[in-house]
Amino acid sequence: SQQGEEDPQALSIQEGENATMNCSYKTSINNLQWYRQNSGRGLVHLILIRSNEREKHSGRLRVTLDTSKKSSSLLITASRAADTASYFCATDTSGYSTLTFGKGTMLLVSP
Amino acid sequence: DAGITQSPRHKVTETGTPVTLRCHQTENHRYMYWYRQDPGHGLRLIHYSYGVKDTDKGEVSDGYSVSRSKTEDFLLTLESATSSQTSVYFCAISGQSGNEQFFGPGTRLTVL
Repeated sequence: SQQGEEDPQALSIQEGENATMNCSYKTSINNLQWYRQNSGRGLVHLILIRSNEREKHSGRLRVTLDTSKKSSSLLITASRAADTASYFCATDTSGYSTLTFGKGTMLLVSP
Repeated sequence: DAGITQSPRHKVTETGTPVTLRCHQTENHRYMYWYRQDPGHGLRLIHYSYGVKDTDKGEVSDGYSVSRSKTEDFLLTLESATSSQTSVYFCAISGQSGNEQFFGPGTRLTVL
C-alpha cells in the first residue's frame, strides 16, 4: 500500500521560480523524508523532518510537516535547471527505518 | 557519496532462472534494504536487514529471498525469475534507526 502520495504528479516551471510539492500520508510516522532522483540514477536524500518538528530548512529547501493533517510540503526556492528531477516523499513508520515511498513528483525547470 | 555498490548493474535473464543481486557497503552501517522501482509505483520495499543474519520481509517480498552473512554484503535472490520481476532494484543503507538512507546506483533487471 502507498503511504505517501505526492501532488502534483508533474510540475513545470521557469528558472528562478519557486517549486512546491505536497505529500499526504495515512498513518502515524516517526519521520518524513524527501529524496531526489535524477533520471536513471539512485535516490539522494534531501531532508528529514521528525514527527515533533513543524518546519525545517536546508539551503534552498524548506519542508513543513502537519501531523494533524498528515501532510508535508517541500519548497524549492529560486529553482535552477539542475533541480530538474523526480522528488519523492517517504515515511518512516517502523523501528527499523523502513521507508514507504510515494510515487513522486516530476519537476522540470526550464532555463 | 556513501560507499555502496550494486552488482551487476544490468542483467538480462530468462524466465525460470535463478538470479542473485549483490549490495556491498563500506560504511559499516547496520541497516540494509532492497527496493524495487516500477513506473507508476514509486519504490517498494522487498526485504530489509537490521543486522548480520537478521532479516525481515517488506511490502513485496513474494518470490524473493535475502541473506546477510556479513555486515557489508546483502544479497537478493530471485529463486525462479518471472517477467513481473523485471524492474530496477535499489539497495540502501542506514546507520541508525530514524536516520536517512543512502542509495546505491541500482540494478536494471530484465526477465524475458
